[in-house]
Amino acid sequence: GAGVSQSPSNKVTEKGKDVELRCDPISGHTALYWYRQSLGQGLEFLIYFQGNSAPDKSGLPSDRFSAERTGGSVSTLTIQRTQQEDSAVYLCASSLAGQNYEQYFGPGTRLTVT
Amino acid sequence: GENVEQHPSTLSVQEGDSAVIKCTYSDSASNYFPWYKQELGKRPQLIIDIRSNVGEKKDQRIAVTLNKTAKHFSLHITETQPEDSAVYFCAAVGTGKLIFGQGTTLQVKP
Repeated sequence: GAGVSQSPSNKVTEKGKDVELRCDPISGHTALYWYRQSLGQGLEFLIYFQGNSAPDKSGLPSDRFSAERTGGSVSTLTIQRTQQEDSAVYLCASSLAGQNYEQYFGPGTRLTVT
Repeated sequence: GENVEQHPSTLSVQEGDSAVIKCTYSDSASNYFPWYKQELGKRPQLIIDIRSNVGEKKDQRIAVTLNKTAKHFSLHITETQPEDSAVYFCAAVGTGKLIFGQGTTLQVKP
C-alpha cells in the first residue's frame, strides 16, 4: 500500500514569507507526528495528533508554527514569517494507534529560507 | 522532563566486528523502546523494537536488550557490513510522547 507522502519535497522561500507543508498519512493510521531535522542533527519533535484528541503541541518552537489535521487524515504544518533558522527537513510520520506503535516516516520536505 | 541519552555519538568499526549503541531513559513508566535507522538522505525506518515485558529481542544480526531496573537499553549489531553504515536513533515511550535519542553515526569500514 501507499506509504506516508509529503509535499512539496523541496521548498525555497524568502525570509518573512509563510509556508505550508503537507502530509498524507497511511490510510487508517490514527496518529500523526511532525518532526524537524536540521542538517546532521537528531529528530526534534514538533506536534502529535491522535484521533480526535487535542494535539500535543509541546514541541512547537514558537507561535509562528502551527499545524492542523483535517478529517483525521491529511495534516498541514504552517510556518509564518519564516526565519533562516527554520531551514531544515520537516518529517511527517504516522502510526496505527498512538505512540506505542511503529512510526512510518514520509520522505520529508526540505525547507530553505533565504 | 523526560529524556533519552544515547552513546556514543559516533562509532567506527571494521567490517565483521560487532557494534553496540547504548541508551538511557529517565521516565520509569516507559514501556516501548524502538530503534530507527536513517541512511544518508533517506527517511528513518524501524529496525527493531522491544516492549517492557521482555529483556531481549533478536532479529538476525541485530538484537536489543532492556534493563528496566537500570533504565537502559542497547542495540547490538553483529557481523557488521558496510550497508549497516547509517545514523541510528533509539527512542522511549512512557506517559508522554516518544522521545528520541540524539543519534549515533555508525561507520563500517570495509
